[in-house]
Amino acid sequence: AQSVTQPDIHITVSEGASLELRCNYSYGATPYLFWYVQSPGQGLQLLLKYFSGDTLVQGIKGFEAEFKRSQSSFNLRKPSVHWSDAAEYFCAVGDDFGNEKLTFGTGTRLTIIP
Amino acid sequence: NAGVTQTPKFQVLKTGQSMTLQCAQDMNHEYMSWYRQDPGMGLRLIHYSVGAGITDQGEVPNGYNVSRSTTEDFPLRLLSAAPSQTSVYFCASSYPTTTGVGGYTFGSGTRLTVV
Repeated sequence: AQSVTQPDIHITVSEGASLELRCNYSYGATPYLFWYVQSPGQGLQLLLKYFSGDTLVQGIKGFEAEFKRSQSSFNLRKPSVHWSDAAEYFCAVGDDFGNEKLTFGTGTRLTIIP
Repeated sequence: NAGVTQTPKFQVLKTGQSMTLQCAQDMNHEYMSWYRQDPGMGLRLIHYSVGAGITDQGEVPNGYNVSRSTTEDFPLRLLSAAPSQTSVYFCASSYPTTTGVGGYTFGSGTRLTVV
């Protein structure tokens, strides 16, 4: 069975600074990977996804993620964060049979300081 | 577009009561899922469906039932509520593509408290 680890429970960065959120997955074959963002009291919004091809994936809101098979990682990055990026971020991996089932990490809460 | 609509937004139940959490989507998505979100545990899959009339269990299905009689609706039933079912419940829908799922659209959630 697949699994996802987000090693950072909480990260604080200054507005305008760069951001990297870590995600490590465990999966036997080519993984299907996702990043979602959740603002307080809201549902989850898809930021980006990786299925195959180019290992650097561009998403919405200026986010990107890089798939590194050798490290079993799919880290999320943004060159310059904005106060509105404060939220909780979830990494997820799709299952064997066509991605109907997602396994989520436990999330990383991002705080932005002025 | 309404997207994925969940009702109610908040609910308090007494132990042993039953209820149905409603979920409707207007995007003609084939795939629908129910997740529960608990602090420090991320989201865990309860049940999912790949089309009308087809449902299957996820990671934490005990105490919950689902049915999918139409493409649009995917209600989640709590048979006999327990305090351990206190959680935030999310419904999500998606569609198949040639490379897998297109990425789920989530509802805004139902916050359930069982006392």
